[in-house]
Amino acid sequence: NAGVTQTPKFRILKIGQSMTLQCTQDMNHNYMYWYRQDPGMGLKLIYYSVGAGITDKGEVPNGYNVSRSTTEDFPLRLELAAPSQTSVYFCASSETGMGRPNTIYFGEGSWLTVV
Amino acid sequence: DAKTTQPPSMDCAEGRAANLPCNHSTISGNEYVYWYRQIHSQGPQYIIHGLKNNETNEMASLIITEDRKSSTLILPHATLRDTAVYYCTIITQGGSEKLVFGKGMKLTVNP
Repeated sequence: NAGVTQTPKFRILKIGQSMTLQCTQDMNHNYMYWYRQDPGMGLKLIYYSVGAGITDKGEVPNGYNVSRSTTEDFPLRLELAAPSQTSVYFCASSETGMGRPNTIYFGEGSWLTVV
Repeated sequence: DAKTTQPPSMDCAEGRAANLPCNHSTISGNEYVYWYRQIHSQGPQYIIHGLKNNETNEMASLIITEDRKSSTLILPHATLRDTAVYYCTIITQGGSEKLVFGKGMKLTVNP
């Protein structure tokens, strides 16, 4: 069981370039999330999705876009990369609430540097 | 969702119990206490969660006060591999599903 898989693990971008961080999960979870973590800081929620076709903004959505065309995939798009987007990005997923506690499973992270 | 407060750091001797506190004085009746940890830039790892009763699993124990305004995560026999940042967070059952993390608490287990 692979869980949550993120690609790429490492990437260097030039200012103004665009890229997509891929995230896929094989646990049939409805809920998926993207977080960023700056050095020495906690996690900040960028976007989340409660199901295919539904996305919503988190704490720090500016500069990013997401889509959720399938249950398994939740890509994060950076359109015009800026140095402030240098960070570690974590994708996560969880099973549907439906009155149950919401245990979230994280991927291993994608290290992005914008120069 | 209720906010949580944790001390920024704590030290513990290897083999001793590590007691990690968390305050969540504004917690509501349908909100769960969740604990995660993050070992040196790896993805956060789920540890345990609870509503009002104390909970125990193979990793840790969670003690929640009767008024639910605070909780303590207990690692019964801390090892060097338990050195990590520990996050206490609150999530509403059946409500907003986004999970928000604070800065967490750095636990250092010393030999």
